[in-house]
Amino acid sequence: QVQLEQSGAEVIKPGASVRVSCKASGYSFRDYAIHWIRQAPGQGLEWMGWINGGTGNTKYSQKFQDRVTLTRDTSASTAYMDLSSLTSEDTAYYFCARDRNWPDSWGQGTLVTVSS
Amino acid sequence: EIVLAQSPATLSLSPGERATLSCRASQSVGSYLAWYQQKPGQAPRLLIYDASKRASGIPARFSGSGSGTDFTLTISSLEPEDFAVYYCQQRFNWPALTFGGGTRVEI
Repeated sequence: QVQLEQSGAEVIKPGASVRVSCKASGYSFRDYAIHWIRQAPGQGLEWMGWINGGTGNTKYSQKFQDRVTLTRDTSASTAYMDLSSLTSEDTAYYFCARDRNWPDSWGQGTLVTVSS
Repeated sequence: EIVLAQSPATLSLSPGERATLSCRASQSVGSYLAWYQQKPGQAPRLLIYDASKRASGIPARFSGSGSGTDFTLTISSLEPEDFAVYYCQQRFNWPALTFGGGTRVEI
């Protein structure tokens, strides 16, 4: 079955960067893209960006355009989300989700806490 | 950017009752609309896509309707496990996505 396994929780100081990984299994990684979506505690869902698993092409939300970088390692079937210049407003759960025209399978989420 | 407005914010119902959730788009999204269910501590789960198609494994009590700017998610008879938050999401400008603010279905 399709599984997306994300890296563990992080506590990051303001101004620093974070990397979250998303390891895919149960399907051909190159055949599907990955979305990254975040959710602040008790809040709604916010789309951050998308990476094509085969070509590596990316599309970013304008809100995060200057601070987010999506990459992937096809040999490891893993996608990565790097977010820089973190502030307390970036404290949130970060989800990866497989794109089958729709985000149909989701990772478990990674809590990133920004705190000094 | 296409904005999705969900109503009501909270729906208080009992098991066995019918739930009707609304999602309105700021401009037409055709049938490019999905619905997700999220329970505390869990990732969202895809329920409905293309406005009215049930995702794999989703019970028949969940149904979606609408097109253009007005969409509805109906749960015909609420089961205890259906009490959760529901989000609509559009992909008219795929791969960019936007989500509604959510509707909490509570007992």
